[in-house]
Amino acid sequence: EAQVTQNPRYLITVTGKKLTVTCSQNMNHEYMSWYRQDPGLGLRQIYYSMNVEVTDKGDVPEGYKVSRKEKRNFPLILESPSPNQTSLYFCASSLWAFGQGQGEKLFFGSGTQLSVL
Amino acid sequence: QKEVEQNSGPLSVPEGAIASLNCTYSDRGSQSFFWYRQYSGKSPELIMSIYSNGDKEDGRFTAQLNKASQYVSLLIRDSQPSDSATYLCAVNNAGNMLTFGGGTRLMVKP
Repeated sequence: EAQVTQNPRYLITVTGKKLTVTCSQNMNHEYMSWYRQDPGLGLRQIYYSMNVEVTDKGDVPEGYKVSRKEKRNFPLILESPSPNQTSLYFCASSLWAFGQGQGEKLFFGSGTQLSVL
Repeated sequence: QKEVEQNSGPLSVPEGAIASLNCTYSDRGSQSFFWYRQYSGKSPELIMSIYSNGDKEDGRFTAQLNKASQYVSLLIRDSQPSDSATYLCAVNNAGNMLTFGGGTRLMVKP
């Protein structure tokens, strides 16, 4: 089954304790992205990747890191989490990046609800 | 900051009515426009994309785009209770990012 898999689904941690949220897709998609969703603010893009070893900042990259060493995986790293990073996080992928027509559909993972105490 | 604005709602319509959802965007260079539906506790899923001015129909859904006025809308005909969800407008402005609006919560009452 074609899917984007995120883990964990729920995560409670404390300020300053490094964590990684994993994301994997099995559709051979080139484009992958991380979003955070907060009430009233919609989805905001954190980082995205056009392909292996190619990553770039989104609108809210502060406090986050990503890597794309393999095409299927795009982990999100919070090296020193803070309470303002408490949010619902979504990983998403698409066949390719935007501006090229039919491949622009984003497939989303199930989300990770992160609480930083 | 490129912005995408939506009325947060809730928009309440009776079953069988037409639901009209609107979205405005600030960047005149925007090229691709999308509507995603998000059920409570679930992830967003794409329901419509539109790239040129005018209407695009897919079943009960019609997306409308007016680049001169910088708005995009979604019409849902014969609304069903199962259409109750948050609808997210998303815009690509010729870069590699997608900017989402805050979403409109739709409630379809039986």
